[in-house]
Amino acid sequence: AQKVTQAQTEISVVEKEDVTLDCVYETRDTTYYLFWYKQPPSGELVFLIRRNSFDEQNEISGRYSWNFQKSTSSFNFTITASQVVDSAVYFCALSETGFNAGNNRKLIWGLGTSLGVNP
Amino acid sequence: EPEVTQTPSHQVTQMGQEVILRCVPISNHLYFYWYRQILGQKVEFLVSFYNNEISEKSEIFDDQFSVERPDGSNFTLKIRSTKLEDSAMYFCASSGGLQYFGPGTRLTVT
Repeated sequence: AQKVTQAQTEISVVEKEDVTLDCVYETRDTTYYLFWYKQPPSGELVFLIRRNSFDEQNEISGRYSWNFQKSTSSFNFTITASQVVDSAVYFCALSETGFNAGNNRKLIWGLGTSLGVNP
Repeated sequence: EPEVTQTPSHQVTQMGQEVILRCVPISNHLYFYWYRQILGQKVEFLVSFYNNEISEKSEIFDDQFSVERPDGSNFTLKIRSTKLEDSAMYFCASSGGLQYFGPGTRLTVT
């Protein structure tokens, strides 16, 4: 069965602190995609990153970085030097690839981690 | 940049009424989806649509729900007889390899 677990329900930090959001996933597929989305208070879903299961290289984008470890089925997200504008709910998601649908399968979502960054 | 649009942004309806939520996917995308998010909870998959038919649906997507692509540009979700528990944010997405989400329609059933 496919499952995404975000064990941290809420995290509160002070501005400029680094924060890591954990994501653990379960899948029987050998090929899959992992995602992170941000949902600010306005409610829209903002795409942050997609990672293919064959690509375990860590990625850095500005203050954001992602650590993908297949050995522990984890895809953690770190925000360096957090800012108030980072306050949002962050969702990790999984998409298995199907023979016919390729990378267009449904997304399976974690419960989300609510991050509050205080000035 | 192309984007997915959804109308209305907020819909209030009475229990038992039918509602239609509308989405305009990105024009060259071939896969379409509906997800919902009950307030404060996770996003849940409802249905995917490809080649004018449902390709996958969840247990939530029962006989009260239907989807349609009536004119080659719009993609609609119909709820035949709304219940209080249908109150949620409904997100449409389209994909040409990566799913792009619309801004959502907040449905409130009273």
